[in-house]
Amino acid sequence: DAGITQSPRYKITETGRQVTLMCHQTWSHSYMFWYRQDLGHGLRLIYYSAAADITDKGEVPDGYVVSRSKTENFPLTLESATRSQTSVYFCASSGYRNTGELFFGEGSRLTVL
Amino acid sequence: QQQVKQSPQSLIVQKGGISIINCAYENTAFDYFPWYQQFPGKGPALLIAIRPDVSEKKEGRFTISFNKSAKQFSLHIMDSQPGDSATYFCAASRNEKLTFGTGTRLTIIP
Repeated sequence: DAGITQSPRYKITETGRQVTLMCHQTWSHSYMFWYRQDLGHGLRLIYYSAAADITDKGEVPDGYVVSRSKTENFPLTLESATRSQTSVYFCASSGYRNTGELFFGEGSRLTVL
Repeated sequence: QQQVKQSPQSLIVQKGGISIINCAYENTAFDYFPWYQQFPGKGPALLIAIRPDVSEKKEGRFTISFNKSAKQFSLHIMDSQPGDSATYFCAASRNEKLTFGTGTRLTIIP
């Protein structure tokens, strides 16, 4: 089915471990985004990408790494997970310039113990 | 700093009533103002959006009112229904990036 999919949907890890959250979209959208959602903070932008091999920092990039070797994939890596990175992570994509229309995945809930 | 401020944090409205959620922004460079609706366990989905050169936009029971001089915008849900119970986020867009408000949990009671 067409759309945007995230994996894993749930992940429990320990402090200091590396974790990669996957995001795949089938629309060939140029723009892709990673947000984290926390109570009291809403959704905050971690990283975004305008096209393959083009990425840039968002509001809260520290502790995260992204790559985009293919248009359809945008993985997010936590190189050394910390408890403050416990959150729900949403990947989104957009194919339209100058609009606020993002298509979100269903989220990845990450718990860092 | 919070560039988009949203209130209230939570809202309870009776079925058939009007739900009103307010947002204020600081950056006048924002050029698109969408509202997103999120149900538990799901990602946010676009509900309705407005550009700053328009003062009001209506789609069915949902209306955005926009006050450019005050840098404020609001979502009105007319004839609120139990199926409208969800979390609502206002947002502001610049250069393809969305800045979200902190969200409003709306509960519609019978």
